[in-house]
This record gives sequence, C-alpha cells and structure tokens, in this order.
Amino acid sequence: GPKVLQIPSHQIIDMGQMVTLNCDPVSNHLYFYWYKQILGQQMEFLVNFYNGKVMEKSKLFKDQFSVERPDGSYFTLKIQPTALEDSAVYFCASSLGHQDTQYFGPGTRLLVL
Amino acid sequence: TQTVSQSDAHVTVFEGDSVELRCNYSYGGSIYLSWYIQHHGRGLQFLLKYYSGNPVVQGVNGFEAEFSKSDSSFHLRKASVHWSDSAVYFCAASIRANTGKLTFGHGTILRVHP
Repeated sequence: GPKVLQIPSHQIIDMGQMVTLNCDPVSNHLYFYWYKQILGQQMEFLVNFYNGKVMEKSKLFKDQFSVERPDGSYFTLKIQPTALEDSAVYFCASSLGHQDTQYFGPGTRLLVL
Repeated sequence: TQTVSQSDAHVTVFEGDSVELRCNYSYGGSIYLSWYIQHHGRGLQFLLKYYSGNPVVQGVNGFEAEFSKSDSSFHLRKASVHWSDSAVYFCAASIRANTGKLTFGHGTILRVHP
C-alpha cells in the first residue's frame, strides 16, 4: 500500500529539550495525523491537520506540542520542552480525504530521560 | 463520543485454524470501522474498512469483517490462518461527521502456532 515515512526511527533526548519528529506523508494526501502509543497500550489520537491548520486535537496534545507542514515538506510534530511522560512511539498517518483510509508510518520511538 | 472495545486481549490458534477477533463499538450515529494489523515493532497496516452497504467487507490476505448494527460489532475473521498472521490487531472507529480522528481499541494479540 501507500508508504508513509518517519524520521528518525528512534530518538533519545533529555527532559526539557526540544524534539522534532518528521513525517513524509503519501504524496497526494491532504490530511495528516499524529497518534501516540505508550508501550503496551492502545493508539491514541493527538492531532490532525489540513490546509495548514489544526482541525482537531485531543487532550493529549499539550501546549508544548505543535505541528506544521511548511511548503509541503515534512509534516512535523515538535515538543518543546519534552517531559518524561512524552516517552512513547509516535505514529504519523495521512489520508486523501478526512474519511478516507489512513495510512500509517512505521513510528518514531521517543525516549525522554 | 465513540468507544471501541476488543474483548479478547490474546487469542492463540494453530496454523490452518479459523479465527474471529471481536470488536464492539458504542456510538449512536453513523460510523466508519476499520481493522489494522501491527507486526512487532512496526507501524500499522490497513486491512479493511466498512463505509456502508454490504456488511461483509473483504480485506487483504484473506481477512474479512462483518458489520452488525444490531450488535454494534465489526468482528474480523479469517478461515485459515498462517503463522505470519501473528501480530496485534486493532479495531478503529471514526464518526462520519468528524474530522477523521480514529478511536482505537486496545488491540488483540493473535498468536498462530505452526
């Protein structure tokens, strides 16, 4: 199926530092998503993004989080500053329309020390 | 708000067996339902999705799922499993009127013994 890429695959960072997670969505897709999965738990929605704007965000999407997709490049999730509870696997997804199938990347495993 | 529940945390079968993984949802309105598979350490792969119409949906690798409005269910089935089907299976729901946000169940770990 369509491929979504995520860079990096793993990131270790000290608490309080900034981290940027990058997502390369499917080329013609218009809707972009971030989900968070803590080890052994279910996938939880963070935010979705369309036409340069956040459409919906969950309570997990704290003030320290931000997303953007400047000039059609990577769709990024920035956390500044990071906290211990941000340790998780972050999955990016994209879809053509907002109710079309979402295709997921392989995830970025973030460890905050 | 919608919820998704997968009642079986673990299912273990032998290769060649049939399997059914259960998914129930709670939401009063129109809803889309999907199944995804996650192999160990990897991202989610799309299996199938129900929009409307025929309640039995065919997916990849011989999987199918049946939507039942009366039971609020969307169970996943496969007639004959292979050891490579061992993975975590997630059921997900999206409300038709919303922004596309997926709500996931907790997942079912399927183990297929050779």
